[in-house]
Amino acid sequence: SQQGEEDPQALSIQEGENATMNCSYKTSINNLQWYRQNSGRGLVHLILIRSNEREKHSGRLRVTLDTSKKSSSLLITASRAADTASYFCATDADSWGKLQFGAGTQVVVTP
Amino acid sequence: EAEVAQSPRYKITEKSQAVAFWCDPISGHATLYWYRQILGQGPELLVQFQDESVVDDSQLPKDRFSAERLKGVDSTLKIQPAELGDSAMYLCASSLGVHEQYFGPGTRLTVT
Repeated sequence: SQQGEEDPQALSIQEGENATMNCSYKTSINNLQWYRQNSGRGLVHLILIRSNEREKHSGRLRVTLDTSKKSSSLLITASRAADTASYFCATDADSWGKLQFGAGTQVVVTP
Repeated sequence: EAEVAQSPRYKITEKSQAVAFWCDPISGHATLYWYRQILGQGPELLVQFQDESVVDDSQLPKDRFSAERLKGVDSTLKIQPAELGDSAMYLCASSLGVHEQYFGPGTRLTVT
């Protein structure tokens, strides 16, 4: 079973535009992580936000977390063609670091 | 930069045959994970090891799947017998404790 649900399922934008995707989850968490996956490849960790944090930045990425609404958002600013990928949120809710992934948002950035 | 290694990258097998995947985690990473990812979906955890011990295999179909990490380093995931519904990407990941996970390139399995 997958705890997180991403919205939208797919997103198509032009280079230079911002891309925003959302993640909702069901249970209390220790942290929430975002990963990127290029077609047919493994996942790459982007950013981790702990349950006591509200916002975090890494380069062109901005992540917010609202534990009262059980939701998170990932913003990619000034998108590039190389940002074309699927983006997954994953929640860590147990003491062993087990992650539950959502179904992902497929982002296409056109030049 | 250290990476998680997986082999083979691609595997085609007939149903009812046995198949095995290998994973070598980043050196020093005590935690190793095997995921299955069906096309269009997110990864689903099959089994999690802490050193050589299994800490979670609740989603592993134990009638046909087995996993081992005998010396607490590399790991093997086996399917016997393979079924058509096993066609998926099998991903291995490792981590230093309870932190971000580092994924290998995956093994794409096709069962015919």
